[in-house]
Amino acid sequence: LAKTTQPISMDSYEGQEVNITCSHNNIATNDYITWYQQFPSQGPRFIIQGYKTKVTNEVASLFIPADRKSSTLSLPRVSLSDTAVYYCLVGALSGNTPLVFGKGTRLSVIA
Amino acid sequence: SAVISQKPSRDICQRGTSLTIQCQVDSQVTMMFWYRQQPGQSLTLIATANQGSEATYESGFVIDKFPISRPNLTFSTLTVSNMSPEDSSIYLCSVLGLAGAGDTQYFGPGTRLTVL
Repeated sequence: LAKTTQPISMDSYEGQEVNITCSHNNIATNDYITWYQQFPSQGPRFIIQGYKTKVTNEVASLFIPADRKSSTLSLPRVSLSDTAVYYCLVGALSGNTPLVFGKGTRLSVIA
Repeated sequence: SAVISQKPSRDICQRGTSLTIQCQVDSQVTMMFWYRQQPGQSLTLIATANQGSEATYESGFVIDKFPISRPNLTFSTLTVSNMSPEDSSIYLCSVLGLAGAGDTQYFGPGTRLTVL
């Protein structure tokens, strides 16, 4: 399984755009990249998933360069409610191998 | 995405006792997993719950301590046996579903266990 590296923590003010970058140098050809959000005392919540280039949904955007060795989760205009831990994971498209979580990035949004 | 419920949502137990946690999914799923999240830590995979056969455990987790059942494609249980305070954690059920480019996992709300 590809190992991921992301910042331990980040701070941001309300209304700013937040970009969290994840490194996954050993990503395999059939791996996709998935980001989760976890609030205290809740299970992780799926945010976005991609394989290459750019993916956008109502919550976030995911930017993946051509070499796929990193990815960036972009949260537009964060609010206090976006304070959470964000996990970047890579896994095979077949999905038979369960996801292995790293330490995640603790995002604190300040008023 | 699948809707996953867990029972109980939380419990406080005495050491030496056992607790069974239930996971119910609103649709049939092929893969179900159990994770543990200790206070302030990330998630650790305990085992894959296989329907109709024994669970597949990760290194450091054994069937005697964490017996798992999966009688059908929508339900699984995890038992935490002979509990000690070190077992105090959030236990999470997860299932495989479709999302975006491929499969991904969805998580239940968790069961917060405190062992005294």
